[in-house]
Amino acid sequence: ETGVTQTPRHLVMGMTNKKSLKCEQHLGHNAMYWYKQSAKKPLELMFVYSLEERVENNSVPSRFSPECPNSSHLFLHLHTLQPEDSALYLCASSQDTGTSGIYEQYFGPGTRLTVT
Amino acid sequence: DQQVKQNSPSLSVQEGRISILNCDYTNSMFDYFLWYKKYPAEGPTFLISISSIKDKNEDGRFTVFLNKSAKHLSLHIVPSQPGDSAVYFCAATDSGGGADGLTFGKGTHLIIQP
Repeated sequence: ETGVTQTPRHLVMGMTNKKSLKCEQHLGHNAMYWYKQSAKKPLELMFVYSLEERVENNSVPSRFSPECPNSSHLFLHLHTLQPEDSALYLCASSQDTGTSGIYEQYFGPGTRLTVT
Repeated sequence: DQQVKQNSPSLSVQEGRISILNCDYTNSMFDYFLWYKKYPAEGPTFLISISSIKDKNEDGRFTVFLNKSAKHLSLHIVPSQPGDSAVYFCAATDSGGGADGLTFGKGTHLIIQP
């Protein structure tokens, strides 16, 4: 596997379910991100992890819970979601959070989430 | 309040001609700008970037121009090819802002016509 991978690619869940999204990066990066893309809206940053520590939580509701067990893996745990949470969830990684002067982020293919 | 704006949801260009995609920003702290390309069912792919200390950066068929006084940047693709048909996102960041991530525009859907 190369680059950034995400599983599952598609997920349909009810409002009472608990599910998790998984992201893995094979680039040797130290920073990982979760973004949300809703219809007709720009990508919105949700969480930032640097060296497995959360450094940014962009006012995301607590029904979204991230986890970063190591610098290669990132999870997004979902529980009691609402239909308006249906969106494309994108994971990204970068060398660091900009301390090296490198700001490019590399994205996975995303998980298309539908909450019913 | 959108800090990065791409005012053209779509753009149609004939194959072989120049494609010009525009982006405006409002946050004067932004000093690093990136363009991403996205095909359906794939994540955004990094294309080209520019720092605010420059006004132009070129990579093959792709050139990004930055006008700081106007808070405007543009991506030029020449010549345009069918494989360039995709959604293009402009993104920006504040290099001194720590872990702020990237702020994205809504994207412009570029369609290259044969």
